Amino acid sequence: GESVGLHLPTLSVQEGDNSIINCAYSNSASDYFIWYKQESGKGPQFIIDIRSNMDKRQGQRVTVLLNKTVKHLSLQIAATQPGDSAVYFCAEFRGADGLTFGKGTHLIIQP
Amino acid sequence: NAGVTQTPKFQVLKTGQSMTLQCAQDMNHEYMSWYRQDPGMGLRLIHYSVGAGITDQGEVPNGYNVSRSTTEDFPLRLLSAAPSQTSVYFCASSAGDAGHYEQFFGPGTRLTVL
Repeated sequence: GESVGLHLPTLSVQEGDNSIINCAYSNSASDYFIWYKQESGKGPQFIIDIRSNMDKRQGQRVTVLLNKTVKHLSLQIAATQPGDSAVYFCAEFRGADGLTFGKGTHLIIQP
Repeated sequence: NAGVTQTPKFQVLKTGQSMTLQCAQDMNHEYMSWYRQDPGMGLRLIHYSVGAGITDQGEVPNGYNVSRSTTEDFPLRLLSAAPSQTSVYFCASSAGDAGHYEQFFGPGTRLTVL
């Protein structure tokens, strides 16, 4: 079946380094992708989104890259801070089926 | 604005008991949704509503009922709880469909069914 998934369940980075979280999707008809951040005990929080007519979108310290050729999505966090520790989910919008979430990557920040 | 609120935060049920998870939003959003999150998994859509009086099933609707009598409230009912329904439940709202409008999530309800 078609699904959204993440390559790594856990990512550990040094404070101040850049983080890259990856996501693979298999539904070529998906045209909208979202990254969410979920801190412990809280609901998911929108970080950044991108539509399929774009390759790159930048926010504050975050960049999302979309490679439609290989159906790959990534989230780059610049100068990672302790407050970035969380689980990050990618989600794809499939029209009438709504949002489909990946399993999540736990980002751990090492001091 | 309080945003999306959910009650209770924690709940323990015995198999066969019924209960209602409450969700309310004060942003005048038309769209509301219920998701469940199981360990090591992403969120899965249970039911959603595109406006007062309208509800529809998501990916995993079995064992759950919903109603939308007002724009603000979207309760989720478990008629006969089962251990498989042990999960964290999130309610979300948005001004429109998730493909065009940001979804705002509540803090979640952690449910354990014994």
